[in-house]
Amino acid sequence: NAGVTQTPKFRILKIGQSMTLQCTQDMNHNYMYWYRQDPGMGLKLIYYSVGAGITDKGEVPNGYNVSRSTTEDFPLRLELAAPSQTSVYFCASSYDGQTQYFGPGTRLTVL
Amino acid sequence: DQQVKQNSPSLSVQEGRISILNCDYTNSMFDYFLWYKKYPAEGPTFLISISSIKDKNEDGRFTVFLNKSAKHLSLHIVPSQPGDSAVYFCAASFPHMRFGAGTRLTVKP
Repeated sequence: NAGVTQTPKFRILKIGQSMTLQCTQDMNHNYMYWYRQDPGMGLKLIYYSVGAGITDKGEVPNGYNVSRSTTEDFPLRLELAAPSQTSVYFCASSYDGQTQYFGPGTRLTVL
Repeated sequence: DQQVKQNSPSLSVQEGRISILNCDYTNSMFDYFLWYKKYPAEGPTFLISISSIKDKNEDGRFTVFLNKSAKHLSLHIVPSQPGDSAVYFCAASFPHMRFGAGTRLTVKP
């Protein structure tokens, strides 16, 4: 039982490049989330999903896209990376929409 | 709009003493509150939670207190241990989770 896994752990992108951050959970949770954490700040919700095929925007969705084709996977797509997207990205899942379980994070730098 | 605030960026306590971490919120619609603990290079780990219908929840050394009239949440750790040294985030939910900026707790042996 691995919980929530995220790949890659680290990535450096050039401005304008695109990439997909992967997130997988093996707890059969319906709810999944993507957050970003900037230095000295709390986590901010980017996108969330309440089940396969259902996604919705969070607090800071601009510049990102998501899809949820299976219960297990919830990838986050960055199109046209910008320096403002330099952050640590956390994926989380939840069985009840309240208590969330987090992955180890992806540290992204855009230069 | 910072709806959840942790005004102390850091706290240092002696091993064996009580650690009290504080959190204030502004949105009276929040109905569920949580504390997470985070070690460097790891994701946040769920610690303890409380529903808005309660004013206290206890789990071993950890107790969370909720004062709805003051819109204030606190986490008590008794006794504190060096392994408790980490960043603690409070979070409040309705309908989505809002996080505070965190308090770095250092427990000295």
